[in-house]
Amino acid sequence: AQSVAQPEDQVNVAEGNPLTVKCTYSVSGNPYLFWYVQYPNRGLQFLLKYITGDNLVKGSYGFEAEFNKSQTSFHLKKPSALVSDSALYFCAVRDPNTGGFKTIFGAGTRLFVKA
Amino acid sequence: DTGVSQNPRHKITKRGQNVTFRCDPISEHNRLYWYRQTLGQGPEFLTYFQNEAQLEKSRLLSDRFSAERPKGSFSTLEIQRTEQGDSAMYLCASSQDRVAGELFFGEGSRLTVL
Repeated sequence: AQSVAQPEDQVNVAEGNPLTVKCTYSVSGNPYLFWYVQYPNRGLQFLLKYITGDNLVKGSYGFEAEFNKSQTSFHLKKPSALVSDSALYFCAVRDPNTGGFKTIFGAGTRLFVKA
Repeated sequence: DTGVSQNPRHKITKRGQNVTFRCDPISEHNRLYWYRQTLGQGPEFLTYFQNEAQLEKSRLLSDRFSAERPKGSFSTLEIQRTEQGDSAMYLCASSQDRVAGELFFGEGSRLTVL
């Protein structure tokens, strides 16, 4: 069965510093991986996805994520954090070989960017 | 741009009552999903549809829960004989018919069972 782990409940970073939000996954085959963001009182928004190809994928708002198959990780990164990046971030996985269209989400990591 | 719409946004009910939530997906999306999210947790998969066919249901979806998508357009999620443990945010999402397609979420329907 597919699963996602986000080991950090909260990540604190100063504005202008790089940020990393960690994600590891478990699937039986080649995964499709996603990051979503949830701002207060808003619905989840898609940030970026990895399907195949280049291990570094770029997404919205300057975010990027690196797929590492050997470590089964898909960490979210941004070179320079903004206060407005403060939100709840969810990693998600889909196993096209066994899970069809079902997407499984991690528990989320709250990012707090301090001015 | 018309996104995913959910109604009602908030519902407060007494234990034992029935509630129904409605989701209107993005019009060209033929896949529709229901998730449940409780405080401090990620969305938990409940069920999804391809057009009007319900293709998968989570074991979380007890027999008190039923979802429909008549004519492959809007969807309803009904909870019968609500319990306090049903209190949560119910999220609807839709996607294009591509296995790699991302989900587009509505803002959710918050249920509070007293």
